[in-house]
Amino acid sequence: EVQLLESGGGLVQPGGSLRLSCAASGFTFSSYAMNWVRQAPGKGPEWVSLISGSDGSTYYADSVKGRFTISRDNSKNTLYLQMNRLRVEDTAVYYCAKEAQPDTVMAPYDYWGQGTLVTVSS
Amino acid sequence: DIVVTQSPDSLAVSLGERATIDCKSSQSLLYNYNNKNYLAWYQQKPGQPPKLLIYWASTRASGVPDRFSGSGSGTDFTLTISSLQAEDVAVYYCQRYYHSPPLTFGGGTKVEIK
Repeated sequence: EVQLLESGGGLVQPGGSLRLSCAASGFTFSSYAMNWVRQAPGKGPEWVSLISGSDGSTYYADSVKGRFTISRDNSKNTLYLQMNRLRVEDTAVYYCAKEAQPDTVMAPYDYWGQGTLVTVSS
Repeated sequence: DIVVTQSPDSLAVSLGERATIDCKSSQSLLYNYNNKNYLAWYQQKPGQPPKLLIYWASTRASGVPDRFSGSGSGTDFTLTISSLQAEDVAVYYCQRYYHSPPLTFGGGTKVEIK
């Protein structure tokens, strides 16, 4: 059974940093691209970042480029999102999401975690 | 960037009746290389993450009831619930995953029971 478990969310002041983790199990982690998607309260999902399974290629939304860094440790089956210089508008539930097709990028997401809440406020 | 626009924002449908949601892209999502439309549909219920319903515009994901269907090509797409059930009350999102980021979601359509 595929499982994705996010952790690391919390309350942080503007300008602060957080590191999110997503522990994956139930599939060959290294074969799949992984994504972070966030959802602000009452809003729709917003794609944040993507990392390929094999060569570690990364992609970012313009809204987080230069502030967030996505990474993965295939030996630990874990996805990360380092978030620096956080802003109030980064407040959201952050989901990790697994792409549905192996050995590619930019596929739909067949599994999502339950999310971790990041609140940026003074 | 490619913009994906959904309509309506919300709709109320009687149990057993048809619900139709539209999604329009500012650029074609049809990739001529493989003749596939890079569009997905998700269902989100309160307090839950989105759930994949449809991909390649018309392929149902595993376990999705056949009352859900997707259609369309290029820039215009539709999600149809042929006979609305109580458990279908949710917000529905389209997402384009064509070719390059950002992987844009539509604004969502809230489906309720009339």
